[in-house]
Amino acid sequence: AQSVTQLDSHVSVSEGTPVLLRCNYSSSYSPSLFWYVQHPNKGLQLLLKYTSAATLVKGINGFEAEFKKSETSFHLTKPSAHMSDAAEYFCVVSGLIGGYQKVTFGTGTKLQVIP
Amino acid sequence: GAVVSQHPSWVICKSGTSVKIECRSLDFQATTMFWYRQFPKQSLMLMATSNEGSKATYEQGVEKDKFLINHASLTLSTLTVTSAHPEDSSFYICSARALGTDSYEQYFGPGTRLTVT
Repeated sequence: AQSVTQLDSHVSVSEGTPVLLRCNYSSSYSPSLFWYVQHPNKGLQLLLKYTSAATLVKGINGFEAEFKKSETSFHLTKPSAHMSDAAEYFCVVSGLIGGYQKVTFGTGTKLQVIP
Repeated sequence: GAVVSQHPSWVICKSGTSVKIECRSLDFQATTMFWYRQFPKQSLMLMATSNEGSKATYEQGVEKDKFLINHASLTLSTLTVTSAHPEDSSFYICSARALGTDSYEQYFGPGTRLTVT
């Protein structure tokens, strides 16, 4: 079985303050994990990915995420929010199930950045 | 690199007609492409996995005869919504996995917004 839980549907932060978007996963095997961002009426852009290398992953636009196997978490962080970070963020888990690649999306977290 | 395009980006059609959406990998070859559907303010739901030269694998609950998928080449997959109805109105997004890569990373297209009147 494979699943992703994004614990917050909405997160609101002030510009210049830290961002934390939480993601927990469940997977029978060692999965690959991703964070994608989607701006309104746009497609998805990859922020970062974890594929069994370093547990602390650095992505674009100052975002990073830490893979914690013991906590089955892959939370997304950024030290200082920018207005352009306002968007929907999706945590994604991908793994082999029955010999096929299975991709599961989280329900998304909408990030609001207050000036 | 790794750009995926979709055409059209936006389409309005009348109920009962069919609509074809194209997904192209522009600068790489993709053995596998994925089709997703996204309802307003919701996450992406995988509809089907499209493999070049073979039949698509549909997720449970997705009607094969309604959502026809063709993956004719390593750079093109098409999704045809047949006999469209208003409830088919949605944002359809495709993604592609590059040939020869061990990564599970998918490259996403910009999406196609379908409105059925």
